[in-house]
Amino acid sequence: AQSVTQLGSHVSVSEGALVLLRCNYSSSVPPYLFWYVQYPNQGLQLLLKYTSAATLVKGINGFEAEFKKSETSFHLTKPSAHMSDAAEYFCAVSVTTGGATNKLIFGTGTLLAVQP
Amino acid sequence: KAGVTQTPRYLIKTRGQQVTLSCSPISGHRSVSWYQQTPGQGLQFLFEYFSETQRNKGNFPGRFSGRQFSNSRSEMNVSTLELGDSALYLCASSLSSSYNEQFFGPGTRLTVL
Repeated sequence: AQSVTQLGSHVSVSEGALVLLRCNYSSSVPPYLFWYVQYPNQGLQLLLKYTSAATLVKGINGFEAEFKKSETSFHLTKPSAHMSDAAEYFCAVSVTTGGATNKLIFGTGTLLAVQP
Repeated sequence: KAGVTQTPRYLIKTRGQQVTLSCSPISGHRSVSWYQQTPGQGLQFLFEYFSETQRNKGNFPGRFSGRQFSNSRSEMNVSTLELGDSALYLCASSLSSSYNEQFFGPGTRLTVL
């Protein structure tokens, strides 16, 4: 069964500091992995996705993630945090069921706080 | 291009009632998935529809059902509401049932009293 684990339910960084949000996955087949962001009272916005084309994936708002098969990880990073990055971040894996791949399994989320 | 829209945005019901939530996908998208988000259980997959057919279903009781219309709009229904059904219900649309990028709507916040 496929799953994702997000380490750290709360992460706090200073404005301008490096952001590192951790995600480890479990999958018996090559996974499709995603990072989503959720601002208060809003839906989920796709930050980036890994679909086996390149191991370093660049997303929106300066975020990127690196797929490391040996570590089964897909950590999200941003070199310099902005106040506007404060939100909840979810890592997800796409589950293949009978050829259809639109079922997402989400991690428990990491709430990012950015201190001035 | 307009995004995924969900109506209503907020809903208050009492135990035992039923509720219907609506989702309009992005124009041209034929796959619609539904997720429940709660503080305790997180984000959980409910079901997915493609071309008016349910393709996948999550581990939810039969009180949760859905359907999709020929114009790809989807509705989900919860009957005999329980307090634990209070949640944010999110709809996501995708081009097809095997396309990996899903676009989420703003959600419907359901409160069961």
